[in-house]
Amino acid sequence: GAVVSQHPSWVICKSGTSVKIECRSLDFQATTMFWYRQFPKQSLMLMATSNEGSKATYEQGVEKDKFLINHASLTLSTLTVTSAHPEDSSFYICSALRTGTGQPQHFGDGTRLSIL
Amino acid sequence: AQSVSQHNHHVILSEAASLELGCNYSYGGTVNLFWYVQYPGQHLQLLLKYFSGDPLVKGIKGFEAEFIKSKFSFNLRKPSVQWSDTAEYFCAVNGPSDYKLSFGAGTTVTVRA
Repeated sequence: GAVVSQHPSWVICKSGTSVKIECRSLDFQATTMFWYRQFPKQSLMLMATSNEGSKATYEQGVEKDKFLINHASLTLSTLTVTSAHPEDSSFYICSALRTGTGQPQHFGDGTRLSIL
Repeated sequence: AQSVSQHNHHVILSEAASLELGCNYSYGGTVNLFWYVQYPGQHLQLLLKYFSGDPLVKGIKGFEAEFIKSKFSFNLRKPSVQWSDTAEYFCAVNGPSDYKLSFGAGTTVTVRA
């Protein structure tokens, strides 16, 4: 159990486009999900904490208007990169905490975003 | 703020060799400690975790880690590696009531057959 699915796994789009990435917990409920960004050969950097039914909490330096997070149900959080530019190209990873039991976080496969 | 330091960026070793990956953290209070592994093309998977109790923690696939509080360390070990252990390894920490993880930079382990 504890499978987290991310979709799409890879997306290429033109500069100025908005891109939505989905994160689903397939076999458990997740009140809290997290969004990370990973640059090549670097660590995962936490972008924001997504809480079901409430506003996301963003880490310092992350533009909330740029990276819109919606957590409308206990199994789905979405990250929308608005008006994406080449510098937004990165690997985005989500994780989910099982409601009630908490840690550890279960990670999705990640989404590779390439902005041309 | 928490920070995590992994000493080795890339480790190359032969099958059956022993592996030890260093991890040090900076945090002012009680910590939860994790080692995650990322096999090529796959998602991060939990190898082992430490919350409290016995500082020597055993995980999956023959891995273990030792929490040494005085050294702020949580080193990962495996006595005899296999080719299938080739992967990226991440150390991570968070506080007891804070689920937000701080990750180390990762160590790439390449095991040669």
